[in-house]
Amino acid sequence: DTEVTQTPKHLVMGMTNKKSLKCEQHMGHRAMYWYKQKAKKPPELMFVYSYEKLSINESVPSRFSPECPNSSLLNLHLHALQPEDSALYLCASSHFEGGRGYEQYFGPGTRLTVT
Amino acid sequence: GDSVTQMEGPVTLSEEAFLTINCTYTATGYPSLFWYVQYPGEGLQLLLKATKADDKGSNKGFEATYRKETTSFHLEKGSVQVSDSAVYFCALRRMDSSYKLIFGSGTRLLVRP
Repeated sequence: DTEVTQTPKHLVMGMTNKKSLKCEQHMGHRAMYWYKQKAKKPPELMFVYSYEKLSINESVPSRFSPECPNSSLLNLHLHALQPEDSALYLCASSHFEGGRGYEQYFGPGTRLTVT
Repeated sequence: GDSVTQMEGPVTLSEEAFLTINCTYTATGYPSLFWYVQYPGEGLQLLLKATKADDKGSNKGFEATYRKETTSFHLEKGSVQVSDSAVYFCALRRMDSSYKLIFGSGTRLLVRP
């Protein structure tokens, strides 16, 4: 099973709202990722967790706050977003051994619209 | 810096035609190479991979060979179907990079009946 699930599938939020995106995998992967994808562009890495610890923050604005409650779950908390943050948010996971990640498996994404 | 270059799209083909999507890369050492496919409204799916020179990745009739001498990883399929219509991303991961995938810009494939 190479499935990564994400909820919700679609989300519309105002600029003053607080919402959360959720991601889950049961492949035993110990690295999990958040990506942002704008239309007709490749995904851009936002955050990486390995062994439930934040390993990489690609200079993402603080209105995006990641959380990894356990090895299977990854959340992205959203607050005071801007319309330009509207995008497809993708979660991915991979094995992680010897300090290196392996091929990443992506979820279906959450289509976020900020009004 | 490291980069991946893909052919501009869209690529429009008739069903059962032969497909080639070109991908070349710039990287030091021996990166791992991947093809991902993104169907409309969906996330990315890993299509195939190769981790060393001359490796051939294959899946669902698609193939790509890791060519170190030409720094290429071209995607091929002998007979495309309408259901293959999607965006295809070539990507690399450096050996000394734990996590980061470097993606090409993506190539949209449209297959007509």
